[in-house]
Amino acid sequence: QKEVEQNSGPLSVPEGAIASLNCTYSDRGSQSFFWYRQYSGKSPELIMFIYSNGDKEDGRFTAQLNKASQYVSLLIRDSQPSDSATYLCAVNGYGNKLVFGAGTILRVKS
Amino acid sequence: GAVVSQHPSWVICKSGTSVKIECRSLDFQATTMFWYRQFPKQSLMLMATSNEGSKATYEQGVEKDKFLINHASLTLSTLTVTSAHPEDSSFYICSPSGTDYEQYFGPGTRLTVT
Repeated sequence: QKEVEQNSGPLSVPEGAIASLNCTYSDRGSQSFFWYRQYSGKSPELIMFIYSNGDKEDGRFTAQLNKASQYVSLLIRDSQPSDSATYLCAVNGYGNKLVFGAGTILRVKS
Repeated sequence: GAVVSQHPSWVICKSGTSVKIECRSLDFQATTMFWYRQFPKQSLMLMATSNEGSKATYEQGVEKDKFLINHASLTLSTLTVTSAHPEDSSFYICSPSGTDYEQYFGPGTRLTVT
């Protein structure tokens, strides 16, 4: 059974701080990793995807992947109240299916 | 990101009736369509996967005769909830996928069965 684990939170950070969201996965064969943001009552929105070990930066977001440790993280720099949402980690499985974690609630306090 | 539409965005129906949800990928060809369901405060649960022109593959525990999926073209897929019951009330989200691994989500359809 492929699993993706996330701390449910909530993770509270002050405005302007760095928010660090973590995710571990069980299937060593996973190749693709995704971070989605989901606002309450809305569908998920793709923020980042990463395929290779190391860091990938896009604006205020940085995804970090360590396949040896089966660990992927998302850093949000200069956090804003508008970043408050649930962040879903997803890992590809068989047939392009995504396996989702339960999500981490992020609260950015102004 | 890709542009995906779903219709209707919300629907209320009576128990025993059927509801059809349309999902359109507006700017790319969806060779694969994933349908998800999300209950309040829970994560996404994959219901079924369909490839254009083929029958859908359903996840364990999802009744294929209750949730009818049609993926007749590369830009349109439909999910029909037949004989809906209150326990089918949920947020239904389609997710088209093209030739890469990225998945984009439709805006979702909130179904309430009374």
